[in-house]
Amino acid sequence: EPEVTQTPSHQVTQMGQEVILRCVPISNHLYFYWYRQILGQKVEFLVSFYNNEISEKSEIFDDQFSVERPDGSNFTLKIRSTKLEDSAMYFCAGSWTTETQYFGPGTRLLVL
Amino acid sequence: KNQVEQSPQSLIILEGKNCTLQCNYTVSPFSNLRWYKQDTGRGPVSLTIMTFSENTKSNGRYTATLDADTKQSSLHITASQLSDSASYICVVSPGYSSASKIIFGSGTRLSIRP
Repeated sequence: EPEVTQTPSHQVTQMGQEVILRCVPISNHLYFYWYRQILGQKVEFLVSFYNNEISEKSEIFDDQFSVERPDGSNFTLKIRSTKLEDSAMYFCAGSWTTETQYFGPGTRLLVL
Repeated sequence: KNQVEQSPQSLIILEGKNCTLQCNYTVSPFSNLRWYKQDTGRGPVSLTIMTFSENTKSNGRYTATLDADTKQSSLHITASQLSDSASYICVVSPGYSSASKIIFGSGTRLSIRP
């Protein structure tokens, strides 16, 4: 059964550094998402991406965040200048419609 | 304000026993409700999805119910196994296709003891 994959599984970075989180969605998914989950808290929506552009974004997704799907397979989330509060689990997800999303295993980001 | 509340926050049961997790929501309009299982350090995995007209949906030992009138849902786990230890998250989508409006509950952390 096809799965969403994410790399790296863990990333430790210094505050102010740029990080790129990578995702390979299921091949024929049309909608792509990034979510984050701060330890012990709810899953939070960051951004949705459809037809090669952002369709929605949350208040969390400020100018420090960007997404790309450069080659039709990889879907990346870039944080330009990380802050301590960016430490969280970041999940990529995909779907054929806007209904059930298929989540990846997540990247645990720790900002020191 | 649209909200999803889950109870209990955590639950410990013995292997082989049954349990029921609750989800109350105030989301309106309503499109669908999903239950996800999230193993520690992993992404959520969909267990069931129910629309307004569905009252119950089963997936193996998992049975979800929905009462759209009272805005309540439950997830019943039968004959629990150690691998059922996880967080169970109730997720409600409003009546318009908008990922940003999907509301996640805080989850119930279930621990199965041998």
